[in-house]
Amino acid sequence: IAGITQAPTSQILAAGRRMTLRCTQDMRHNAMYWYRQDLGLGLRLIHYSNTAGTTGKGEVPDGYSVSRANTDDFPLTLASAVPSQTSVYFCASSSEGGGNEQFFGPGTRLTVL
Amino acid sequence: GQNIDQPTEMTATEGAIVQINCTYQTSGFNGLFWYQQHAGEAPTFLSYNVLDGLEEKGRFSSFLSRSKGYSYLLLKELQMKDSASYLCAVLDSNYQLIWGAGTKLIIKP
Repeated sequence: IAGITQAPTSQILAAGRRMTLRCTQDMRHNAMYWYRQDLGLGLRLIHYSNTAGTTGKGEVPDGYSVSRANTDDFPLTLASAVPSQTSVYFCASSSEGGGNEQFFGPGTRLTVL
Repeated sequence: GQNIDQPTEMTATEGAIVQINCTYQTSGFNGLFWYQQHAGEAPTFLSYNVLDGLEEKGRFSSFLSRSKGYSYLLLKELQMKDSASYLCAVLDSNYQLIWGAGTKLIIKP
């Protein structure tokens, strides 16, 4: 079934630990995105990639890094987690960047203690 | 700064019509999206407007006025399954989506 998968579904993490959230899509989309969603706030863009091999910073990139080694995978890494990174993280993809519909993964609920 | 405003919560009755408003102030405009998000789930695409006017898609319609920085999503013949959050998002001059906090729609029988 075509779509986007994320792993893990949820995670509880001790502050200071390193964590990688995984995202894979099989729609051959060029553009991929990482968002965080916090109660009372809109989705906020962390990092994006318009095509394999390129990445860019979004609205809230500090404390996060990404890589885009191939078209399908777009992992998000928290180098040293802090409690303020407790959130729901959504990965999304679109056929191209810009004004194209974005398809979202099911999300990862991350709690940093 | 960039700002998207939507009501936090609305309540409507099954079978009725509801209009969810969205006003925006962004650095540039390259289109406006509406997404639906059920509790605990991912957002799913509803509509995209880039020109002024009304776009109709089944029970859902979306309207845009660029001069007023305003859009609305109109839901007709409300069903219980329409209970969800509705997210307004604007594509800015950098082609990045700026998201509103969403409107939680509660449908009562």
